[in-house]
Amino acid sequence: GESVGLHLPTLSVQEGDNSIINCAYSNSASDYFIWYKQESGKGPQFIIDIRSNMDKRQGQRVTVLLNKTVKHLSLQIAATQPGDSAVYFCAEKSGSSNDYKLSFGAGTTVTVRA
Amino acid sequence: GAVVSQHPSWVICKSGTSVKIECRSLDFQATTMFWYRQFPKQSLMLMATSNEGSKATYEQGVEKDKFLINHASLTLSTLTVTSAHPEDSSFYICSAPRQGINEKLFFGSGTQLSVL
Repeated sequence: GESVGLHLPTLSVQEGDNSIINCAYSNSASDYFIWYKQESGKGPQFIIDIRSNMDKRQGQRVTVLLNKTVKHLSLQIAATQPGDSAVYFCAEKSGSSNDYKLSFGAGTTVTVRA
Repeated sequence: GAVVSQHPSWVICKSGTSVKIECRSLDFQATTMFWYRQFPKQSLMLMATSNEGSKATYEQGVEKDKFLINHASLTLSTLTVTSAHPEDSSFYICSAPRQGINEKLFFGSGTQLSVL
């Protein structure tokens, strides 16, 4: 079946630099996308979300960009900090507004160098 | 603070025994909860959707009799791994959607199951 996939399974970034994590999805019916951060041994933590009627959304130090034309999603982290080291997953939802069944991508491991 | 509580955070059991994992929504009601399984360095795989007051919906390839799900109340879902074997060792995570103005899907902290 269709699934969300991620480019580059690992990303090493210097502390203070900006990070960009990419995600490709294949289900054109997906209407809601979420980025999660998962630290070792813990459950996923919500970072930011975006609906398909938007192409950009900003949060605190994070920005999500959505390009529906090429089915691409990215997460930008500004001024990356050591605490940002984790695995990042994008997830998509394509069901009804009350259906929170998500499909997760493979994940990108981000390592911040001091 | 956590809005979805999962317990226990880790469990070690002998092969052939059953293990129960609890997932609670702390400050909201959830008619639906989701159970995921995650192997090391892999993504989350949806196992089943837990439905309050009705049977769970299992994903293809997930054994219903192996992974028993009960959604007894609007704040509690349980996953029981029956007759556990070493290949059932994994990280199990639950999630629950908090609907409303600021609706989001929240995850529990996960349960690491090790079957000896």
